[in-house]
Amino acid sequence: GAGVSQSPSNKVTEKGKDVELRCDPISGHTALYWYRQSLGQGLEFLIYFQGNSAPDKSGLPSDRFSAERTGGSVSTLTIQRTQQEDSAVYLCASSFGENTGELFFGEGSRLTVL
Amino acid sequence: GQNIDQPTEMTATEGAIVQINCTYQTSGFNGLFWYQQHAGEAPTFLSYNVLDGLEEKGRFSSFLSRSKGYSYLLLKELQMKDSASYLCAVRDLSWGKLQFGAGTQVVVTP
Repeated sequence: GAGVSQSPSNKVTEKGKDVELRCDPISGHTALYWYRQSLGQGLEFLIYFQGNSAPDKSGLPSDRFSAERTGGSVSTLTIQRTQQEDSAVYLCASSFGENTGELFFGEGSRLTVL
Repeated sequence: GQNIDQPTEMTATEGAIVQINCTYQTSGFNGLFWYQQHAGEAPTFLSYNVLDGLEEKGRFSSFLSRSKGYSYLLLKELQMKDSASYLCAVRDLSWGKLQFGAGTQVVVTP
């Protein structure tokens, strides 16, 4: 598609379960970002992929969070043993290069942990 | 690291002008972005400043002073549809990632 695609758009899970969130960036974009946004809050940086470089994981809040990017394209954010405080909208964005251009955001995956 | 500050909320009347300030502290600077986010939607790009001065784009303008670590977004001829959160984001020289401020909620009243 033409834009950043994220799935699922909504996910409700029970505390302690694992969840996977998927992001399909714009074709040709080498940079991919994951952010988290809690209700009424700003965007919290989680992880950043650029080409074949090692990802910048400095924003991951705990070792329950991990992400991978296969073939320089699709990315999966995995949250293990979910907690209620993980409830948020998880936004993925991509851009053309490392230090160029704007970020294009997907519509987000809304995660609710009961 | 980076520290990005912007007001929490601003209210203005339809047709008026509103200026949203953003101050930042960063170990290296490689550009400042403004994004608009309507409730329940993804952020959308508004403007990008990397050099000092004013960038004008229709009803929206953005200003940057690198020496002061300061930017503002100016919204002119406000319309009801401008009611949204406005996010200031800074790109650090060492990193490609953008760090976002908490956002300024602009409420436009009739």
